Amino acid sequence: NAGVTQTPKFQVLKTGQSMTLQCAQDMNHNSMYWYRQDPGMGLRLIYYSASEGTTDKGEVPNGYNVSRLNKREFSLRLESAAPSQTSVYFCASSPRTGEQETQYFGPGTRLLVL
Amino acid sequence: GENVEQHPSTLSVQEGDSAVIKCTYSDSASNYFPWYKQELGKGPQLIIDIRSNVGEKKDQRIAVTLNKTAKHFSLHITETQPEDSAVYFCAGGDSWGKLQFGAGTQVVVTP
Repeated sequence: NAGVTQTPKFQVLKTGQSMTLQCAQDMNHNSMYWYRQDPGMGLRLIYYSASEGTTDKGEVPNGYNVSRLNKREFSLRLESAAPSQTSVYFCASSPRTGEQETQYFGPGTRLLVL
Repeated sequence: GENVEQHPSTLSVQEGDSAVIKCTYSDSASNYFPWYKQELGKGPQLIIDIRSNVGEKKDQRIAVTLNKTAKHFSLHITETQPEDSAVYFCAGGDSWGKLQFGAGTQVVVTP
């Protein structure tokens, strides 16, 4: 199993450009999450999908949109990138069945917005 | 919403000594408390977790304690080794599966 995979690994954007971050998991997990990580602030939840077909806002959703394409894939879109969105983005997935709620993280996407 | 505070922000220990990281949470509804280890350039990886109906859990050199009344939980690493050097995050989880993370603790184990 590859676990949680993310593409791209690194991206440089200019202010105003758009891009989509891709995430896929092969563990048949129900729930998927997008976080951003900034120095000294831990990880903050952007959006999550409790199950296929549903998405909900997290702590910092402004400037982002998500799509749960199917059970495996959960994408994050920046419509008009801003320097404040420079960060490391992590995708995670979780079984969310019974007491199995561990979140498994991908390797991250490092985004620089100039 | 949940607010998780984590201390200290940096921790330097001699190899073989113990390391303790403490976290407090604000939401009484939080019922799941995982700890993650993050190595440079990688995603966080779960090392241990505890549910609100358990007071203590141990896995080899790692243990976690939870005090629901005081709303705090702690990570204890005994007999530290150089490979324990990393950033450690605590988190509080709600019944929807959402996690609120602490700001992280940089642990440095010196030989």
